[in-house]
Amino acid sequence: GEDVEQSLFLSVREGDSSVINCTYTDSSSTYLYWYKQEPGAGLQLLTYIFSNMDMKQDQRLTVLLNKKDKHLSLRIADTQTGDSAIYFCAESRNQGGKLIFGQGTELSVKP
Amino acid sequence: GAVVSQHPSRVICKSGTSVKIECRSLDFQATTMFWYRQFPKQSLMLMATSNEGSKATYEQGVEKDKFLINHASLTLSTLTVTSAHPEDSSFYICSAREGTGFNYGYTFGSGTRLTVV
Repeated sequence: GEDVEQSLFLSVREGDSSVINCTYTDSSSTYLYWYKQEPGAGLQLLTYIFSNMDMKQDQRLTVLLNKKDKHLSLRIADTQTGDSAIYFCAESRNQGGKLIFGQGTELSVKP
Repeated sequence: GAVVSQHPSRVICKSGTSVKIECRSLDFQATTMFWYRQFPKQSLMLMATSNEGSKATYEQGVEKDKFLINHASLTLSTLTVTSAHPEDSSFYICSAREGTGFNYGYTFGSGTRLTVV
C-alpha cells in the first residue's frame, strides 16, 4: 500500500539544527522528496533523493535515506526563523507517477 | 525555473454555484497536471491526474461529475467545482510536469482557497 508518515510538530531554537523524520511503507518507492509550504502558499521543492542513494547534501539541507527501514530524514543546519513552515515528504514509485504525501511537519523556529 | 500560475488565489461563492480554478504553466508545456485538495493542518490529497487532450484520471472517492477537469492545452488545466457546498471549502493546489522523466520535476501552483457560504 501507499502510506507516508511524519510527526506533526517540531520546535527548535534559532541556530540549532532541525531534523524532520518521515517513514514510508512502499518498498518500490523510487524517488523521495522534501517540500516546504509557507502559510497560504503552494509547495516549494527543497530537495529530492533517489532510492539508490543514502545521503544527499545541499547547502544547509542534508537528506538521509535508510532504505532498509524505509526511513527518510531532512536535517536543516543553522535553522532560521524564515525556515518556519510545514515540511512535507513525498514519494513516487516511477518517473511519471503521482506523488504520495505525508501529513506534513510544522516546524516552529523560536528566536 | 518552471513556474505554474494558479488563479484565483482566493474565492468565496454561494452554495449551489460553480467555481472554476485555472492552472497555467508559464514557461513550459505541461503534459501532465495534478489537482490536489488540502484541508487545514492536513496533507495534500490527490484528486485527479490529467494529461493534455485526454480525460482525467480520478482518484478513488473523488466525484468526477462534481470536480470537472479540463486539460485542453499544454499550458492550461482547469478544475470546476460544480454545485459547490460548504463541505467543498478547502485549499486546492495544482501541480504540473513537463514530461515523465525524473529530470522533469513537479512544479506547484500557489493554491486557491475556496470558501463556500
